[in-house]
Amino acid sequence: DVKVTQSSRYLVKRTGEKVFLECVQDMDHENMFWYRQDPGLGLRLIYFSYDVKMKEKGDIPEGYSVSREKKERFSLILESASTNQTSMYLCASSWGGTSSGNTIYFGEGSWLTVV
Amino acid sequence: AQKITQTQPGMFVQEKEAVTLDCTYDTSDQSYGLFWYKQPSSGEMIFLIYQGSYDEQNATEGRYSLNFQKARKSANLVISASQLGDSAMYFCAMRENSNYQLIWGAGTKLIIKP
Repeated sequence: DVKVTQSSRYLVKRTGEKVFLECVQDMDHENMFWYRQDPGLGLRLIYFSYDVKMKEKGDIPEGYSVSREKKERFSLILESASTNQTSMYLCASSWGGTSSGNTIYFGEGSWLTVV
Repeated sequence: AQKITQTQPGMFVQEKEAVTLDCTYDTSDQSYGLFWYKQPSSGEMIFLIYQGSYDEQNATEGRYSLNFQKARKSANLVISASQLGDSAMYFCAMRENSNYQLIWGAGTKLIIKP
């Protein structure tokens, strides 16, 4: 079974803090994704990566950065957390390429509250 | 324009009944994939079933089946013999060819009544 593990389920951070959300997958997937999910707005893609050290902006990259130093690990970084980044963050992974049949598997989600 | 439409914001279904969750999509690609995910209140997004645009047979996975009607651009999820643990949000999503992203519907909240 595919396993996507997010390091923290629940975090509370202060405005202005630097926040790291870590994600690890065990399926040797090339593609990894970070989404945020907000009521009424659905899932929105923040960043994705199709290879080590490669990244592409998604729909809402502002205020976020990412790091992919190893194939299995994809980190989301909030350089200076703000209250409007309070949300649920979902990491995901899939096999490489853009084939429409590549299923995207998700982690359990990280609930971030910025106060 | 909405590419994935889930017209049912919420549904109540009696336990053990079958339930159909609607999904229509819009794409000009010939090659695409359709996915259904389940999201319980705990937040994890669980992959349920996949249908490729060229698949002639409807996909099935245990109690889940996908009623794929290509000409009507619909990909409804059917859950047979519903259980209390099926209560969750259900999302329909599409991946067009040559695109990394999934396009998501707004979701349907399913509540199974005992």
